[in-house]
Amino acid sequence: QVQLQESGPGLVKPSETLSLSCTVSGESIRSYYWSWIRQPAGKGLEWIGRIYKSGSTNYNPSLKSRVTMSVDTTKNQFSLKLTSVTAADTAVYYCARGIASVAGLYDYYYMDVWGKGTTVTVSS
Amino acid sequence: SYELAQPPSVSVSPGQTARITCSGDRLGDKYAFWYQQKPGQSPVVVIYQDTKRPSGIPERFSGSNSGNTATLTISGTQAMDEADYYCQAWDSITVVFGGGTKLTVL
Repeated sequence: QVQLQESGPGLVKPSETLSLSCTVSGESIRSYYWSWIRQPAGKGLEWIGRIYKSGSTNYNPSLKSRVTMSVDTTKNQFSLKLTSVTAADTAVYYCARGIASVAGLYDYYYMDVWGKGTTVTVSS
Repeated sequence: SYELAQPPSVSVSPGQTARITCSGDRLGDKYAFWYQQKPGQSPVVVIYQDTKRPSGIPERFSGSNSGNTATLTISGTQAMDEADYYCQAWDSITVVFGGGTKLTVL
């Protein structure tokens, strides 16, 4: 079955760039959308964005100016870069597989398989 | 921007029915999704497309969505159902999450 594993530094200095990767196993990254979601300790979920195999992206408007996602089909990985980080970016970061479709009159998107998450702390 | 509102907490006695609501402008015109998250774990989808249960999710979980409110119903709630629950919708090109509801099984 499909599995996702986040990787990257657990500590990032303020004003620097947070970089994470998600390795997908058991499924081709060419077949679905892929998302990043984060969750500060004790708080709710925040969607960061999604990417498709073509490289097409959609980002959360509140983070759009600082976010870049990319996909590497040769490694079956996708990545997240978040620039100019502050303490407010400290969170558990999840990668997830996204299902996008249309049913009836409505299109939809949700995340059906999630990684275990990786904690990123922004601190000097 | 689109917003989804959930009650911060819901309490239920074991064996009783728990209902968790999610409110948003004309939410019934979108599909609602529900995730369960237990402490230290990743979220798990328990309801998708308003009413559908993924394989492996117990039948006691059900969902509905009409008007401005989607509802997650857990019938015969068990202690293992104690968790945080998040609703989610797709608004144009953005995922929107509700703030989450902590379900306590007393």
